[in-house]
Amino acid sequence: SQQGEEDPQALSIQEGENATMNCSYKTSINNLQWYRQNSGRGLVHLILIRSNEREKHSGRLRVTLDTSKKSSSLLITASRAADTASYFCAPALDSGGYQKVTFGTGTKLQVIP
Amino acid sequence: GAVVSQHPSRVICKSGTSVKIECRSLDFQATTMFWYRQFPKQSLMLMATSNEGSKATYEQGVEKDKFLINHASLTLSTLTVTSAHPEDSSFYICSARRQYTGELFFGEGSRLTVL
Repeated sequence: SQQGEEDPQALSIQEGENATMNCSYKTSINNLQWYRQNSGRGLVHLILIRSNEREKHSGRLRVTLDTSKKSSSLLITASRAADTASYFCAPALDSGGYQKVTFGTGTKLQVIP
Repeated sequence: GAVVSQHPSRVICKSGTSVKIECRSLDFQATTMFWYRQFPKQSLMLMATSNEGSKATYEQGVEKDKFLINHASLTLSTLTVTSAHPEDSSFYICSARRQYTGELFFGEGSRLTVL
């Protein structure tokens, strides 16, 4: 299975600042997804980046992927209090069959108003 | 984004009863569905992986007779917690992998409380 490990475990910033969190993984992938989880809720899919992509944007989100370093980063620009949540990455290798997806401990982001 | 509906969102039951949780992909077909359990302030723990039409693959330490998973169609999977006990109280989350794109979408979770 694939599992990403997020870093840092916790991050506290002021509203308006940028937040950067990182994900490292150990084996080959063909895509990596980022998720957000608010307390007591399910995970919200944020963005998927494929292994042949180096950077992807979606609104205030910017994701990078470096397959040579087996790492990805998620940047949230101009953070808002509503961005307070835990963030998880999910690297995956879809090889025509299925592969289980497991999660690390996530990065707990607190955005202070 | 795609929608995964999980029902019920909350359930309280007596010890010894069975509880069924449904997970539906509403606007896409899911080749694979996953069931997770999450304890307070912890990450998601994968319980099992299921493909449509075949038996679920359970993670080590997860009792298959305790947590029955059925993946009857490309849009529906169910988790039945049989003879529930207080230690089964937890937050259960399903996810569905969209066919062809591989994107993984999650339900809103089901909070089970066993009295």
